[in-house]
Amino acid sequence: AQSVTQLGSHVSVSEGALVLLRCNYSSSVPPYLFWYVQYPNQGLQLLLKYTSAATLVKGINGFEAEFKKSETSFHLTKPSAHMSDAAEYFCAVINQAGTALIFGKGTTLSVSS
Amino acid sequence: DAGVIQSPRHEVTEMGQEVTLRCKPISGHDYLFWYRQTMMRGLELLIYFNNNVPIDDSGMPEDRFSAKMPNASFSTLKIQPSEPRDSAVYFCASSFSGTGGSNEQFFGPGTRLTVL
Repeated sequence: AQSVTQLGSHVSVSEGALVLLRCNYSSSVPPYLFWYVQYPNQGLQLLLKYTSAATLVKGINGFEAEFKKSETSFHLTKPSAHMSDAAEYFCAVINQAGTALIFGKGTTLSVSS
Repeated sequence: DAGVIQSPRHEVTEMGQEVTLRCKPISGHDYLFWYRQTMMRGLELLIYFNNNVPIDDSGMPEDRFSAKMPNASFSTLKIQPSEPRDSAVYFCASSFSGTGGSNEQFFGPGTRLTVL
């Protein structure tokens, strides 16, 4: 069955520091993987997606994620955090039927000055 | 495109009342999803439709919840009767599965429901 596990419900970094949000997946088929971001009082917005092309995926706002099949991971990174990156981040994998997304529980990112 | 449109943005009602949430998906999208988000349970998929037909409603919590999609441009989620534990933010999302589509879901801004 498809599932995702986000390690750490809350991550705190200083402005300018590296951001690393962890996501591990389980999938019985080649996965499509997604990272979404949710700013306060808003809906979810797609950051980036992996659809079996390049394993290093670049997204919006300077974020990127690397698909590692051997580690069943799709961690999200950004070299230098900005205050505006404070939000909740969701990792998701497409279901076996290829019709719906299965979301992780989310990681709240806090950025301090 | 205006994106996914949800109404109302905020709803406050009393226990026992009927609540209807509305969603207009992005034109041309063939999938529509309803989610519920709470602090305790996170983001839960309630039901989704393909070409206006419900595909999976296993996430609908109780018979008090029902969803319809009478046409490609409109869907409703109804709670009757509402209870305080239904208080949450309800999101609608849509996606396109055709050529070039990767099932990326586009989310609406959500409806914040408070049941007193």
